[in-house]
Amino acid sequence: DGGITQSPKYLFRKEGQNVTLSCEQNLNHDAMYWYRQDPGQGLRLIYYSQIVNDFQKGDIAEGYSVSREKKESFPLTVTSAQKNPTAFYLCASSIVGGMAGGFTDTQYFGPGTRLTVL
Amino acid sequence: KQEVTQIPAALSVPEGENLVLNCSFTDSAIYNLQWFRQDPGKGLTSLLLIQSSQREQTSGRLNASLDKSSGRSTLYIAASQPGDSATYLCAVLNAGGTSYGKLTFGQGTILTVHP
Repeated sequence: DGGITQSPKYLFRKEGQNVTLSCEQNLNHDAMYWYRQDPGQGLRLIYYSQIVNDFQKGDIAEGYSVSREKKESFPLTVTSAQKNPTAFYLCASSIVGGMAGGFTDTQYFGPGTRLTVL
Repeated sequence: KQEVTQIPAALSVPEGENLVLNCSFTDSAIYNLQWFRQDPGKGLTSLLLIQSSQREQTSGRLNASLDKSSGRSTLYIAASQPGDSATYLCAVLNAGGTSYGKLTFGQGTILTVHP
């Protein structure tokens, strides 16, 4: 049963703490993405990775970090430097990233993680 | 910088009505446009993807059109049902500028279909 999983579904963080959100896919996709969604707003790109051991900043990367050591995994760390981290975080994957060509495939999304800062 | 706007922000209709959701974008340099559905607290599900060379796509009761030159897309839902209630998001895959190869999303239209 192929798909994207995110864990945990809900996460609570105290101010000053770093937390890591998990994203795993078994679709054999090369590209993976992290988005942030705030109420009444569209998704904003945090980081993306087109291939293992490579990743690029998106539009709102400040206060976040990622790694891509394995094709199937793309964890996101929300650091204490992120001033307003409370949001819904969505992970996605696609067959190829934009730079590799073939701009015809869609992105498949995970179920999301809701992060709340206490 | 690409901007995507969706109108209306919210829509409430009785069951059975045909309805239209609107999406506009400022930069016509796109590879494709997608419509997504999002249920409360859930991820996104792709409904329709229109390549830049296409004018429309259909899937069941859904029909999406694209006018790239004017920067507009519409999602038409026929014979709406309560199960269609969700947030509908429009996104473009950029073919130029600083957002090359990335999706830009609209803020969504919250649709409620009441029995």
